[in-house]
Amino acid sequence: AQSVTQPDIHITVSEGASLELRCNYSYGATPYLFWYVQSPGQGLQLLLKYFSGDTLVQGIKGFEAEFKRSQSSFNLRKPSVHWSDAAEYFCAVGAPGYDKVIFGPGTSLSVIP
Amino acid sequence: DGGITQSPKYLFRKEGQNVTLSCEQNLNHDAMYWYRQDPGQGLRLIYYSQIVNDFQKGDIAEGYSVSREKKESFPLTVTSAQKNPTAFYLCASSQGARPSGYTFGSGTRLTVV
Repeated sequence: AQSVTQPDIHITVSEGASLELRCNYSYGATPYLFWYVQSPGQGLQLLLKYFSGDTLVQGIKGFEAEFKRSQSSFNLRKPSVHWSDAAEYFCAVGAPGYDKVIFGPGTSLSVIP
Repeated sequence: DGGITQSPKYLFRKEGQNVTLSCEQNLNHDAMYWYRQDPGQGLRLIYYSQIVNDFQKGDIAEGYSVSREKKESFPLTVTSAQKNPTAFYLCASSQGARPSGYTFGSGTRLTVV
């Protein structure tokens, strides 16, 4: 069965600093991987996705993520965080033959001036 | 613009009453999903539907019911059998057999009074 873990419940970074949010998955083959962002009281927005090919994926809002098969990870990165990036971030995993994705528990990001 | 519309944004219900949350999409997506989100928790799948007139239970279907009579619509009824219905409810849709990434609505916050 698939599963997703996000080891960090909450992260605080200074505005302008770099960011890395961790995501680890459990699945036997190459999964489909996603990162979503949720602002308070809103729905989720897809930041980026990985299905195959280049392991470094570019997304919206200046985010990128790297798929590392050896570490079963799909960490989200941003070189310089803006105050508007404060939100909840969810990693999710899907797989061929499965009709739904599994969401991680989320990481809450706070940005201090 | 295409998207998912959830209504109402806020909903109050008296104990013992059933209530129906609306979810409409104009993306021509085949699959639709309902999630529940509680404070500090991730997303838990309630029901999902891959095609019209067919749906499957998710992880927490007890106390909920759905219908899928039209491709565009996937209403969720929270019945009086649901013990703790106060939560944030999110509807999502996706296209195709491969989970290509979900599009989410902006959510409905249900409060039992």
